[in-house]
Amino acid sequence: DAKTTQPPSMDCAEGRAANLPCNHSTISGNEYVYWYRQIHSQGPQYIIHGLKNNETNEMASLIITEDRKSSTLILPHATLRDTAVYYCIVRGDTGTASKLTFGTGTRLQVTL
Amino acid sequence: DSGVTQTPKHLITATGQRVTLRCSPRSGDLSVYWYQQSLDQGLQFLIQYYNGEERAKGNILERFSAQQFPDLHSELNLSSLELGDSALYFCASSARPAGWPTDTQYFGPGTRLTVL
Repeated sequence: DAKTTQPPSMDCAEGRAANLPCNHSTISGNEYVYWYRQIHSQGPQYIIHGLKNNETNEMASLIITEDRKSSTLILPHATLRDTAVYYCIVRGDTGTASKLTFGTGTRLQVTL
Repeated sequence: DSGVTQTPKHLITATGQRVTLRCSPRSGDLSVYWYQQSLDQGLQFLIQYYNGEERAKGNILERFSAQQFPDLHSELNLSSLELGDSALYFCASSARPAGWPTDTQYFGPGTRLTVL
């Protein structure tokens, strides 16, 4: 699976959009971009995933650049409850294994 | 609530002891994954089972073992415990067998193991 690079931390004011970037310059054509978050020491929570088209669900939007070398997770109206560590994971068909490889993620702090 | 349950929530034990962590996957999910999260190592994949069979191994120590039962629940057995085994242990489940990149994993709340 391709390696990802994320900023270690970001701040966002409550009510504003939080834009979390992720670089994955070595991504290959059949690899998906997944986003999870972990609030404090809870279990990681699935947010969204995509291949090459932009995706949106009730939690967030995922924007993937045309060359697929980077992506941005957008939380449109961040709340204090969105304070968490956000993980960008690139994942492909690895044959018999479908493990998730977590990096260090981005610690998002939402403030009043 | 992801639908994945784990017991116990907390476990405190002594070095050299053996413990069993239990995971029940979401209804209908056939794959179970175990992950370990320690302060210095982050979240690391340990092992995966699909419909009772081991499918993949990660950084799992020989002192650790797992199995998935016919009712699809899974147990992670940790033996000869050391101080360094203190960590959060998460179970995740997914619907499809290994090899599907769009197979989303849903995580349980975890078991916090403290080895004294």
